[in-house]
Amino acid sequence: NAGVTQTPKFQVLKTGQSMTLQCAQDMNHNSMYWYRQDPGMGLRLIYYSASEGTTDKGEVPNGYNVSRLNKREFSLRLESAAPSQTSVYFCAGGQGGNTEAFFGQGTRLTVV
Amino acid sequence: RKEVEQDPGPFNVPEGATVAFNCTYSNSASQSFFWYRQDCRKEPKLLMSVYSSGNEDGRFTAQLNRASQYISLLIRDSKLSDSATYLCGADTGRRALTFGSGTRLQVQP
Repeated sequence: NAGVTQTPKFQVLKTGQSMTLQCAQDMNHNSMYWYRQDPGMGLRLIYYSASEGTTDKGEVPNGYNVSRLNKREFSLRLESAAPSQTSVYFCAGGQGGNTEAFFGQGTRLTVV
Repeated sequence: RKEVEQDPGPFNVPEGATVAFNCTYSNSASQSFFWYRQDCRKEPKLLMSVYSSGNEDGRFTAQLNRASQYISLLIRDSKLSDSATYLCGADTGRRALTFGSGTRLQVQP
């Protein structure tokens, strides 16, 4: 039982490049989330998906797009990376906004 | 004001000490609260849930004070292995948890 799996674990991008962060869960969670974590800022919600086929913006959605491909997978895309998007990105799964979330191992992204 | 706030610390305590952290929340309608532990360069891991008055698990006790809108985490008999950052998460009416910035604990020998 892998839980929540993110790929890649590390990535360096040049400004303007695009990439997709992948996330898959095998915990049968209805909801999935993307957070970013920056020093002193805590975890900030980028996008979430309450169920397959639905996505909604979180606190910091600008510069990102998401896709809930099926119940298991929720990807995060950076269309044109900027240095301000240098961060650690965590995907999580859960059963809804008032229940606990379970996190993947994170993706450390550096944009130069 | 942030929706969920924590003292960043660090809290430096000797082994065996009792230490407590608080987490304040601004939405009086919040119903569910969670404490997570995060080790350096790792993902947050669920430590405890706090749905009503409180929760206890071994050396760890979480309490909810609705009147003053904060939750607390008490760690008794601190171990070196308790050194980590403790994140507070709260249901703030959105469909995802809102987190504080975390409190760093350093247990010293």
